[in-house]
Amino acid sequence: GIQVEQSPPDLILQEGANSTLRCNFSDSVNNLQWFHQNPWGQLINLFYIPSGTKQNGRLSATTVATERYSLLYISSSQTTDSGVYFCAVVMGYGNKLVFGAGTILRVKS
Amino acid sequence: DTEVTQTPKHLVMGMTNKKSLKCEQHMGHRAMYWYKQKAKKPPELMFVYSYEKLSINESVPSRFSPECPNSSLLNLHLHALQPEDSALYLCASSPAPSGRVYEQYFGPGTRLTVT
Repeated sequence: GIQVEQSPPDLILQEGANSTLRCNFSDSVNNLQWFHQNPWGQLINLFYIPSGTKQNGRLSATTVATERYSLLYISSSQTTDSGVYFCAVVMGYGNKLVFGAGTILRVKS
Repeated sequence: DTEVTQTPKHLVMGMTNKKSLKCEQHMGHRAMYWYKQKAKKPPELMFVYSYEKLSINESVPSRFSPECPNSSLLNLHLHALQPEDSALYLCASSPAPSGRVYEQYFGPGTRLTVT
């Protein structure tokens, strides 16, 4: 099956710093989503981005489908950005969302 | 409104109990999902319903029994669970039927502990 790798596995930032999270996938995909899981377990949709670039406030994402990777940029980080960031993909046509292992982000004040 | 609701938020059950988890969405989505997430691991797909019919079962043990009574509701019936089934159970929905690909939206989850 498709492999989804996220890096780095852990990241500690000082409040106000910028960061880049990476997601590599082993095959072409028709769906790619970035999620933020807060400490209570809620998965929050950040981006639906099978290709191209999107921005939402301090967050932006870029997926280069031909090179099989996606990047999530967090600028001017805040303590509320702490949590786990997941990349998830669907290969082919269907509904099976396969998650990467996640990046644990800790933002210190 | 992109809200998926789940009840209960927390559940503690013994290995001989029967309980049910409930999920509801009012976005008109026709695909609904159950995922299981163990501590410090990513979510893993259990079941997919498309147009109220079971379309994917990821070889889940029969002690987990899904049900989709209508297009807005999804249940997960639990019976004779094991302590290793303790996890966060997440429900999701998307606007796509099988064969198409759309964004999935997740509920807040039910944290299940089996004693």
